[in-house]
Amino acid sequence: DIQMTQSPSSLSASVGDRVTITCRASQSISSFLNWYQQKPGKAPKLLIYAASSLQSGVPSRFTGSGSGTDFTLTISSLQPEDFAIYYCQQSYTTPRTFGQGTKVDIK
Amino acid sequence: QVQLQESGPGLVRSSETLSLICTVSGGSISSYYWSWIRQPAGKGLEWIGRIYTNVSTNYNPSLKSRVTMSVDTSKNQFSLRMSSVAAADTAVYYCARESSGTNYRALDFWGQGTLVTVSS
Repeated sequence: DIQMTQSPSSLSASVGDRVTITCRASQSISSFLNWYQQKPGKAPKLLIYAASSLQSGVPSRFTGSGSGTDFTLTISSLQPEDFAIYYCQQSYTTPRTFGQGTKVDIK
Repeated sequence: QVQLQESGPGLVRSSETLSLICTVSGGSISSYYWSWIRQPAGKGLEWIGRIYTNVSTNYNPSLKSRVTMSVDTSKNQFSLRMSSVAAADTAVYYCARESSGTNYRALDFWGQGTLVTVSS
């Protein structure tokens, strides 16, 4: 299985901050990397697919980058509704695997 | 707008079989992979497997011996069966659609999730 490792596991930030979350794959996955946002009691929501493509309806403050083994999700200016857990997921091969999640909370 | 809804027993006895159904509305169940993902309370996401209209399945090797998925195109539903459940199978179970293109595959629509508790 391809292992996905996110860092940090959690972070505290203020509204308006720039936030960066990284995700590393245990082997090259090309650009088959997705990012999801999950709020308490809700299903995950697709934010970014193919490493850098913004899902329809997702605000442009979310950007993704990277290829191969190293990827980044950036929130350019954190908004109150962005406090959540973020997961990366590889879709290069099966079994699909997720990172352990990064919890973004209020400083 | 595609919508998915999980249904099934919320309580399953240990060693018995968990059975869930996902009903898809707002779109056809054909031409997509349909997935199951689970999440124990306070933990991360685990991919269980996916199915393509009874033609192709991929299961997580860690669960493969216990998992069966199927699709009922006449009802626009797909299902999950997991045998010999134990306490470690207690989780919120999600169904989701996997969309794909030339250079992407992603879970773009999700059900709201259903909690399944395994009791002893």
